[in-house]
Amino acid sequence: EAEVAQSPRYKITEKSQAVAFWCDPISGHATLYWYRQILGQGPELLVQFQDESVVDDSQLPKDRFSAERLKGVDSTLKIQPAELGDSAMYLCASSLRDVGKQNTFGSGTRLTVV
Amino acid sequence: GNSVTQMEGPVTLSEEAFLTINCTYTATGYPSLFWYVQYPGEGLQLLLKATKADDKGSNKGFEATYRKETTSFHLEKGSVQVSDSAVYFCALQAGAGSYQLTFGKGTKLSVIP
Repeated sequence: EAEVAQSPRYKITEKSQAVAFWCDPISGHATLYWYRQILGQGPELLVQFQDESVVDDSQLPKDRFSAERLKGVDSTLKIQPAELGDSAMYLCASSLRDVGKQNTFGSGTRLTVV
Repeated sequence: GNSVTQMEGPVTLSEEAFLTINCTYTATGYPSLFWYVQYPGEGLQLLLKATKADDKGSNKGFEATYRKETTSFHLEKGSVQVSDSAVYFCALQAGAGSYQLTFGKGTKLSVIP
């Protein structure tokens, strides 16, 4: 069964350092999402790509977060500088193009900022 | 805007008990509705979905019916097992070209033998 791949699985970083997460969606999935899940909460969308274009980044803290999907396949989410409040699970998901197609999630990257 | 409200947890049940987790939503248009399950330390797995009013999604003994009149999508299972212990998230995907999910806060279920 096809999966969304994410790495690393866990990351510990000091505040003010830079950190990056990688996601490889299911082959053929044009839409890619990055969600942030704070402990005890539901995931919240950070950024949505359609192919290589950003469709929605209204919830992305652009002063410190950036995301790219240069060739419309895999994607990188970066935080610089990291803050204590960024500690969370970062989930990548992908879907086919149409509404009603479910998001398939990766296993996530658990970030701890110390 | 769009929002999802789930019953507060945690919920603790004995094995073979009946489960209901309430979910109501607010959305413009006609959203698709989903239940996802998350096991400790893992990502989210789709449990079931419904894309239009009166549809019933079902999987692994879980069911939920899309009720437009009450804007609800309650999750039910007739007999829970210890292996069902997880966090359950209700979510909606709005129409009009938007594919992103809006999640509830999640309900933690613990099933004891």
